[in-house]
Amino acid sequence: GAVVSQHPSWVICKSGTSVKIECRSLDFQATTMFWYRQFPKQSLMLMATSNEGSKATYEQGVEKDKFLINHASLTLSTLTVTSAHPEDSSFYICSARDPGELAGNTIYFGEGSWLTVV
Amino acid sequence: RKEVEQDPGPFNVPEGATVAFNCTYSNSASQSFFWYRQDCRKEPKLLMSVYSSGNEDGRFTAQLNRASQYISLLIRDSKLSDSATYLCVVNAVPTGTGNQFYFGTGTSLTVIP
Repeated sequence: GAVVSQHPSWVICKSGTSVKIECRSLDFQATTMFWYRQFPKQSLMLMATSNEGSKATYEQGVEKDKFLINHASLTLSTLTVTSAHPEDSSFYICSARDPGELAGNTIYFGEGSWLTVV
Repeated sequence: RKEVEQDPGPFNVPEGATVAFNCTYSNSASQSFFWYRQDCRKEPKLLMSVYSSGNEDGRFTAQLNRASQYISLLIRDSKLSDSATYLCVVNAVPTGTGNQFYFGTGTSLTVIP
């Protein structure tokens, strides 16, 4: 099946620094990728929709200047958490839409990135 | 009203039991439907797509009811390894906004020995 790779899996950073998370579709071209955040024992929360070659669409309440999303190619989207604070510590997951699937627009998830801000 | 609604559970069932989850969606133009499984501290993984005619994969059966706008997932002969959170995902194309995927909040299942 299709594979989406996310890196890094784990990252610990100091408060005030920026962290970049990469999401790659390995065997299909993803015109659309999605970024989510999930706190422990809570459901996935969509942060933004990333469209290749255009600006990301952010969900209500998500600060676009804090969570910078870049989708410069059909196989790579990046999320940069700027000026990270402890409350940004969470599990960040990306997903990518495979338009080639016969089932129709199936999405596949990256392995997720655990961010801890100290 | 949420685009997709799911009973969060938790569902605690004994091994061997049959359990069913439902998920309702609000957009009648929704086109594609999926069930994902998410284990604790892991990413969601595609369990099965849901086709109009219903589909089965081993102990798992998925069904779509367009008239009532819900999808269901039936798990027969539950195993301990089925313990996870099950997410329903609906793909719709709202007018003027392009493809959208909507997630349920997930239903937690624990299979008890």
